[in-house]
Amino acid sequence: EAGVAQSPRYKIIEKRQSVAFWCNPISGHATLYWYQQILGQGPKLLIQFQNNGVVDDSQLPKDRFSAERLKGVDSTLKIQPAKLEDSAVYLCASSFHGGENIQYFGAGTRLSVL
Amino acid sequence: EDQVTQSPEALRLQEGESSSLNCSYTVSGLRGLFWYRQDPGKGPEFLFTLYSAGEEKEKERLKATLTKKESFLHITAPKPEDSATYLCAVRRGGGYNKLIFGAGTRLAVHP
Repeated sequence: EAGVAQSPRYKIIEKRQSVAFWCNPISGHATLYWYQQILGQGPKLLIQFQNNGVVDDSQLPKDRFSAERLKGVDSTLKIQPAKLEDSAVYLCASSFHGGENIQYFGAGTRLSVL
Repeated sequence: EDQVTQSPEALRLQEGESSSLNCSYTVSGLRGLFWYRQDPGKGPEFLFTLYSAGEEKEKERLKATLTKKESFLHITAPKPEDSATYLCAVRRGGGYNKLIFGAGTRLAVHP
């Protein structure tokens, strides 16, 4: 079974530039999550989708971050404009809606803002 | 406020030297405590879910236990390939499967 796919793996940008990350969840997983993991910290949830609807975006900095999940499958996370403190690994996870709701993670995108 | 604290931050073991990692938590209505393993440059990999005090789960050299305030991940006779960061997370009642993670314990096992 294919896992969660993310791209790109690495991205380096200047502050005030924009950047986008892409995620393809495990087939059949209705729920998709975006996390931010700053070096030395645990992942922090930014936004959670159930199919193509947002169910939790309470920790998403909405003045600069946006996310969408068209057709309830792939998702993109965008930052515009980026700040130095956005340097982190952005992890995508997905889970099947039901049962234990285990979240399975992709390898992440490492973003460096200079 | 929901909180997860892991200790120690880092742990160095000799191969075969057993030890335990701690995860203490405060959460409203626990609906699962999760252990993940994270290797450098990779995403977290699911290990265990525990739901109620007294529950235990095992996988190879790892055993996870749960009390009302904390969880332990016991590592028996570790090998160098067990070196990783171990993350603990809790899921609260009433949420949409939201996980709150601790900062992790970095484990290094030396031959």
